[in-house]
Amino acid sequence: LAKTTQPISMDSYEGQEVNITCSHNNIATNDYITWYQQFPSQGPRFIIQGYKTKVTNEVASLFIPADRKSSTLSLPRVSLSDTAVYYCLVSGNTGKLIFGQGTTLQVKP
Amino acid sequence: EAGVTQFPSHSVIEKGQTVTLRCDPISGHDNLYWYRRVMGKEIKFLLHFVKESKQDESGMPNNRFLAERTGGTYSTLKVQPAELEDSGVYFCASSHQTSGRYYEQYFGPGTRLTVT
Repeated sequence: LAKTTQPISMDSYEGQEVNITCSHNNIATNDYITWYQQFPSQGPRFIIQGYKTKVTNEVASLFIPADRKSSTLSLPRVSLSDTAVYYCLVSGNTGKLIFGQGTTLQVKP
Repeated sequence: EAGVTQFPSHSVIEKGQTVTLRCDPISGHDNLYWYRRVMGKEIKFLLHFVKESKQDESGMPNNRFLAERTGGTYSTLKVQPAELEDSGVYFCASSHQTSGRYYEQYFGPGTRLTVT
């Protein structure tokens, strides 16, 4: 499974757009890119998944360039409640998820 | 729709004792996964059930851990005998599968296990 690299932490302020970039240089053809969010004392929660180009849902957008070696999770107008750890994962057809350290996002008032 | 539930939420046991964790997946989800996070480490995959069959148990640390999913519904993870290094948070997740593609996994709140 492809290894991912993302910043350990990020700070932002309420109302700002936050972009978290993840590198996955060894992504395989059948791999999907998935982002999870985790709050303290809870299990990870699925945010968004994509294969290429751009995916948008009610929570976030995911931008994937043509070479798929990186991806960017975009959170529009964050609020204090978006403070959490965000994980970028690359997974194929095995079902197994490989978690890295994630990015701890701190949203300040 | 009820989410993934886990029981107990917390468990404190002494070294050498036995503990059984339970996971109830979302109804209709054939795929069930166990993960754990030990102190300061990343969340690690333990194993994957498809219905009642073990699809992948490559992450099980040793033979003190036994996972079952009788009837393809709920699953149990037994640790016997427990060791200090087994302390951590054990997560269960479930997902459905269509045409060979695995969809997003829904995680439970986890069971915090403390071995003293």
